[in-house]
Amino acid sequence: QVHLQESGPGLVKPSQTLSLTCAVSGDSIKAGSFYWSWIRQPAGKGLEWIGRIHTSGSTIYKPSLESRLTISMDKSKNQFSLTLTSVTATDTALYYCVKGSVSYDFEIWGQGILVTVSS
Amino acid sequence: ENVLTQFPATLSLSPGERATLSCRASQSVNTYLVWYQQKSGQAPRLLISDASKRATGIPARFSGSGSGTDFTLTISNIEPEDFAVYYCQQRRNWPPTFGGGTKVEIK
Repeated sequence: QVHLQESGPGLVKPSQTLSLTCAVSGDSIKAGSFYWSWIRQPAGKGLEWIGRIHTSGSTIYKPSLESRLTISMDKSKNQFSLTLTSVTATDTALYYCVKGSVSYDFEIWGQGILVTVSS
Repeated sequence: ENVLTQFPATLSLSPGERATLSCRASQSVNTYLVWYQQKSGQAPRLLISDASKRATGIPARFSGSGSGTDFTLTISNIEPEDFAVYYCQQRRNWPPTFGGGTKVEIK
């Protein structure tokens, strides 16, 4: 059974860089054709897809975040990562890593990690 | 972006009743519409894809319908574990977008 687990700092200062990692177990991120996404959810609010990486390594990002966002994959560690630069309070959210086998169907979710941007 | 509007925002029901949740898209999504359930403190769970296809392990009391811009998620005979927030999401237009959610609460 596939399991995704997010990790990273829970607190980031404004203007600094947020880095999160999603460790995948029960599956190989380099096998098959799958989509590995990051989705975030501000407290008490809805869901926002922010970007994804395909098994092939190709990436695509939400336009409003594209200039600050990088998603990468470490096949040797079976994990993928998110880097978001120049964060502000509006980046405060619960961040989920998600696997999909169909483009933009979000099938398997991690438990989420709360990231707060504050000085 | 394709804006998804869900209504009602809150639905108050008693166990055993039928829940009807709506999702309206600002642009046609054909049937590329997905429904998720999110219980308090948990990650969302995919319920229905392509407007009407139940995901593996999802009980038959959950059903989806619709095409184009108007969609419905129906929960027949709602059970205590079904009280949660439900989100719709479209994948027809890029970027994928989610609705604001409908909270189904116990009456």
